[in-house]
Amino acid sequence: QKEVEQDPGPLSVPEGAIVSLNCTYSNSAFQYFMWYRQYSRKGPELLMYTYSSGNKEDGRFTAQVDKSSKYISLFIRDSQPSDSATYLCAMSGWNNNDMRFGAGTRLTVKP
Amino acid sequence: DAGITQSPRHKVTETGTPVTLRCHQTENHRYMYWYRQDPGHGLRLIHYSYGVKDTDKGEVSDGYSVSRSKTEDFLLTLESATSSQTSVYFCAISDPEALNTEAFFGQGTRLTVV
Repeated sequence: QKEVEQDPGPLSVPEGAIVSLNCTYSNSAFQYFMWYRQYSRKGPELLMYTYSSGNKEDGRFTAQVDKSSKYISLFIRDSQPSDSATYLCAMSGWNNNDMRFGAGTRLTVKP
Repeated sequence: DAGITQSPRHKVTETGTPVTLRCHQTENHRYMYWYRQDPGHGLRLIHYSYGVKDTDKGEVSDGYSVSRSKTEDFLLTLESATSSQTSVYFCAISDPEALNTEAFFGQGTRLTVV
């Protein structure tokens, strides 16, 4: 069993839809939880960052962490075609050298 | 964008040959990382460095070595390339003194071993 599980999709939604992306994990030592966005043939870029449990909102994006269930989510409201990318969840303990990534979910938002 | 440059961006090499990938940063970050990205596996850590001449293994280090002689440069060497090392390689940097542990990634190197 992988430490981080993420449904690879692909996921296709119409423009304006609410998108829900999820990851589960098994290592209770993870403290930092991140979502990276990766456009085709580009490097990942940090989208959202949270520490421990709770919610964090940034514009159309909301990240949720439930440490008791070992489950994290990313919600995208009013999705746009420019949101079409692969979304990677990532998590780490106190140091980045133990960061683990999900396999990534490929999202397409159709106009 | 964080100042990270990977070279080469694309490379095709033959099985059994040594290959060196270079990562150069202009951010003066202490930590540097090499990841590989394969379908179904996400990003997996190969090696990382926490300072000049200070390196350690990641989860998929077999067949790879690294060197860091200067803060700004981190080299990844495939000692004898195999077809299983065909992948996209990403360099990343982070600053442990920062408020968060964000890692900034380079644009990637696409390596094909034939």
